[in-house]
Amino acid sequence: AQRVTQPEKLLSVFKGAPVELKCNYSYSGSPELFWYVQYSRQRLQLLLRHISRESIKGFTADLNKGETSFHLKKPFAQEEDSAMYYCALSPRRGYQKVTFGTGTKLQVIP
Amino acid sequence: DVKVTQSSRYLVKRTGEKVFLECVQDMDHENMFWYRQDPGLGLRLIYFSYDVKMKEKGDIPEGYSVSREKKERFSLILESASTNQTSMYLCASSLSHRTGTYEQYFGPGTRLTVT
Repeated sequence: AQRVTQPEKLLSVFKGAPVELKCNYSYSGSPELFWYVQYSRQRLQLLLRHISRESIKGFTADLNKGETSFHLKKPFAQEEDSAMYYCALSPRRGYQKVTFGTGTKLQVIP
Repeated sequence: DVKVTQSSRYLVKRTGEKVFLECVQDMDHENMFWYRQDPGLGLRLIYFSYDVKMKEKGDIPEGYSVSREKKERFSLILESASTNQTSMYLCASSLSHRTGTYEQYFGPGTRLTVT
């Protein structure tokens, strides 16, 4: 069975500092990876997915199959980035059930 | 714009009561999901439905059941509520296609307290 690990429950950074939210997974196939975000008092929503290879709100994430990681990065943190971030995995394309990690709360200090 | 609505934002029930949580989506999505969201545990899937009257157990189905009689509506039922079912419950929906895993759209959540 697949597993998604987010080792940090809380990550505090200063505004303008780089951000890296860690996500490691255990699965031997070709998974699809996602990052979801939940801002305060808002719904959980998709931030980005690895197959799109896009940058959303300045965030990027690269799938590293060798290290089985999908870390979320942003070069300069903004206060509005403060939120709960969840990494999620689908074991194969077309499989709609995803496994979520335990989440990392990002706190950007002004 | 996809809309997923949940019947209640806050619910307080007593131990042993039967509890119904309702979820409705308006985008004709095939898939619907029920999750629990608990601090430190993340999102855990309770049940998943991929079509009307079709369901699959998730990671933590014990103590829960579901019903999907219409495509747009997915209900979560706690047959006999217990205090360890106090949690935030999130409903989600998504399209279904064999070529990709689609974005899940979430409802606002129902915070259930069982006393």
